Amino acid sequence: DVVMTQTPVSLSLAIGQPASISCKSSQSLLGTSGKTFLNWILQRPGQSPKRLIYQVSKLYSEVPDRFSGSGSETEFTLKISRVEAEDLGVYYCWQGTHFPLTFGSGTKLEIK
Amino acid sequence: EVQLVETGGGLVQPGKSLKLTCATSGFTFSTAWMYWVRQSPEKRLEWIVRIKDKSHNYATDYVESVKGRFTISRDDSKSSVYLQMNSLKEEDTATYYCTTAFDYWGQGVIVTVSS
Repeated sequence: DVVMTQTPVSLSLAIGQPASISCKSSQSLLGTSGKTFLNWILQRPGQSPKRLIYQVSKLYSEVPDRFSGSGSETEFTLKISRVEAEDLGVYYCWQGTHFPLTFGSGTKLEIK
Repeated sequence: EVQLVETGGGLVQPGKSLKLTCATSGFTFSTAWMYWVRQSPEKRLEWIVRIKDKSHNYATDYVESVKGRFTISRDDSKSSVYLQMNSLKEEDTATYYCTTAFDYWGQGVIVTVSS
């Protein structure tokens, strides 16, 4: 199975500061289709997960453009240009290239 | 508005069975591939099963840990997907979410396996 390793485990940032979360996979996530199925979701406290980014860098329509995703093969990054209060929660990367689909262990973002 | 509502969770003894239902609305269910994902008490997320649509012969995929014990099914006429869980183990204790390829998620249902 593909192991997804996220760092850091937690972040504590003030509103307005930038955030960066790393996600590394144990195998290349570049699929035979030429697409890379690395995605990000956010789980706010007490809520179910919500979609953020798909195929490395594509934002869902409702996601603010302060979020961005980058990377290739086995190394990926989620960035928030300026953290806002509503961004707190746990961020998970997950891969859809190989079965079984697997998730990272999560990065908890706290607001100072 | 897309909605997914899971029901059927609860406390069950090891070795027993439970059936979860996910009722959906707000999107074209018949062409959607549906997934179940669970979240352990430690907050680890695990994909467990997927079912494709009719055009893909309702093909299914399972994670190894539930193969032979869990069965996913769907009823397109009711826009619902089901998860039959047999021979439950304590390690199956989790919040179970249904999701449309991780785009939209239900609120989750808690399954606790304990004697």
